[in-house]
Amino acid sequence: KQEVTQIPAALSVPEGENLVLNCSFTDSAIYNLQWFRQDPGKGLTSLLLIQSSQREQTSGRLNASLDKSSGRSTLYIAASQPGDSATYLCAAPSGSARQLTFGSGTQLTVLP
Amino acid sequence: SQTIHQWPATLVQPVGSPLSLECTVEGTSNPNLYWYRQAAGRGLQLLFYSIGIDQISSEVPQNLSASRPQDRQFILSSKKLLLSDSGFYLCAWSVLGTGREKLFFGSGTQLSVL
Repeated sequence: KQEVTQIPAALSVPEGENLVLNCSFTDSAIYNLQWFRQDPGKGLTSLLLIQSSQREQTSGRLNASLDKSSGRSTLYIAASQPGDSATYLCAAPSGSARQLTFGSGTQLTVLP
Repeated sequence: SQTIHQWPATLVQPVGSPLSLECTVEGTSNPNLYWYRQAAGRGLQLLFYSIGIDQISSEVPQNLSASRPQDRQFILSSKKLLLSDSGFYLCAWSVLGTGREKLFFGSGTQLSVL
């Protein structure tokens, strides 16, 4: 059974800082991993999807990496802005191909 | 472009009352459809997924049921709500295929059972 852990649970940084969010998973036989953003009371927005054949995926100021052998993924946010404040969740496949296991998320606050 | 609609946005229901949450997807055909629940302070839990009309799989035993009467319509129901059914319900879709595609979520329904 896949288990996904995200550390830290909450993070507060001043505007402009670069930061790293961590995600670890127990079953490394995954074919992809996804990162999502969730604003309070809203649905999830897909940020990045990394296929198992990739090591990194980039979108703007976001860079996600995947290391299957160590069961880890990181989301790097460059030059953070107050608008980046949200909860960030990672999700890895579990069991059947259509089931994702989500981490509990990291709540990020970027202070102006 | 594809869009997903989910309603209502918020719902307050007494214990024992019925429930019906609706989700529709536009701009795509034969999507995989999903219902997730997010309890306060916890991760998302997959409740149901569907690969086609009347083809629905349940991931956890519970007080809820799902139906897919049309290709792009997914409904979450309950005959009698329990207090433990409170939570944030999210509908999602992905392109029909191997299940390796991105998930796209609706805006969610905050359900409070009192």
